[in-house]
Amino acid sequence: DAKTTQPPSMDCAEGRAANLPCNHSTISGNEYVYWYRQIHSQGPQYIIHGLKNNETNEMASLIITEDRKSSTLILPHATLRDTAVYYCIVRVASGGSNYKLTFGKGTLLTVNP
Amino acid sequence: NAGVTQTPKFQVLKTGQSMTLQCAQDMNHEYMSWYRQDPGMGLRLIHYSVGAGITDQGEVPNGYNVSRSTTEDFPLRLLSAAPSQTSVYFCASRGLAGRFGELFFGEGSRLTVL
Repeated sequence: DAKTTQPPSMDCAEGRAANLPCNHSTISGNEYVYWYRQIHSQGPQYIIHGLKNNETNEMASLIITEDRKSSTLILPHATLRDTAVYYCIVRVASGGSNYKLTFGKGTLLTVNP
Repeated sequence: NAGVTQTPKFQVLKTGQSMTLQCAQDMNHEYMSWYRQDPGMGLRLIHYSVGAGITDQGEVPNGYNVSRSTTEDFPLRLLSAAPSQTSVYFCASRGLAGRFGELFFGEGSRLTVL
């Protein structure tokens, strides 16, 4: 199973871009990268996922390096409400759509006023 | 749209007692799962199901039972609670087609075993 490595914590100023890194050097060719976040005491929330190409949605952008060994989640204009633990997950395939997501410890992003 | 609903939100048990954590979803999702989250650790998968009548074990299944008699409901049973089962429990669901990969989580059930 491909594992991910994330810094335990990061700070960001409100209104600035937050760039959260993730290393997944053992990722295999058919494994997706997912990002979720968990605001204090709430259930995790899906943000974005990707395979090879960069992805963007209304919440964030995902930049995956060409060798796929690392990725960066970008929150373009961080707000105080973005303070949360961010999880980078590599999807473990387990037979078709019957896959499981393994959550590590994530990165605690603190957005400061 | 209620999404994923977990009950109870808080529960205190004595060692050896049994209880059931309820999870219901109204999105017609085939896949449902239970995670537990302990301080300083990520979420760990307990059990999951890909449809009514089908369940399987995750990383930490010992001490927990599940069943899936309907698409909507996926209860988690603790037959004889132990202090090591003190944790926050999250239920999550997703469809097996369509919006690929997005797990929808409930708000959590906080269990304390004395």
